Amino acid sequence: QSVLTQPPSASGTPGQRVTISCSGSSSNIGRSYVYWYQQFPGTAPKVLIYRNNQRPSGVPDRFSGSKSGTSASLAISGLRSEDEADYYCAAWDDSLDVVFGGGTKLTVL
Amino acid sequence: QLQLQESGPGLVKPSETLSLTCSVSGDSISNSYYYWGWIRQSPGRGLEWIGTIYYTGSSYYSPSLKSRVTISVDTSKNQFSLKLPSVTAADTAVYYCARQRYRTSPVDDWGQGTLVTVSS
Repeated sequence: QSVLTQPPSASGTPGQRVTISCSGSSSNIGRSYVYWYQQFPGTAPKVLIYRNNQRPSGVPDRFSGSKSGTSASLAISGLRSEDEADYYCAAWDDSLDVVFGGGTKLTVL
Repeated sequence: QLQLQESGPGLVKPSETLSLTCSVSGDSISNSYYYWGWIRQSPGRGLEWIGTIYYTGSSYYSPSLKSRVTISVDTSKNQFSLKLPSVTAADTAVYYCARQRYRTSPVDDWGQGTLVTVSS
């Protein structure tokens, strides 16, 4: 069982806005930055969001991150078929070091 | 542009030692701004952080693997390595090497990953 909790699946239609949640605790999300990763089958994860809400260069502004207390969210607006992938959150944990969420499989209907 | 390339056997027998090397190009492993780490991913355990090393040799390990794991660095070859002895089927996973901007932050850059299967 992963330290950070994500819904196993999410879905939306093209053009919609979808949000994926990530729930943690005061020892991880509550006191450290949250990262979000996108992963396509057979490939390595790629950073979508770092430091809660920062996007690396090349990541579309359709992707946004937020954090409140011990939870974080990834929002994808203007959903596209190419956004269909697995999404993971991650954070530093005081007792366990880097911890990950279990991943959310996003389906574009 | 940073490239991280894992290498090592794709098949390891139970009770033997898993050994992987990550070759870094596009940056110096002695860059004082970064840490270098290993993460693995399996269907049953998801993404699991293994450990991190700094170019000075200071290493940090996941509590769940600390008793078994050794991560080392070779600055002359711009490489760092992972050794995991006494493997079982539970250690079957895709192993990624990675770069972290801070000791206390998740991964910023990932290698492509290498599948290691533990089987006789």
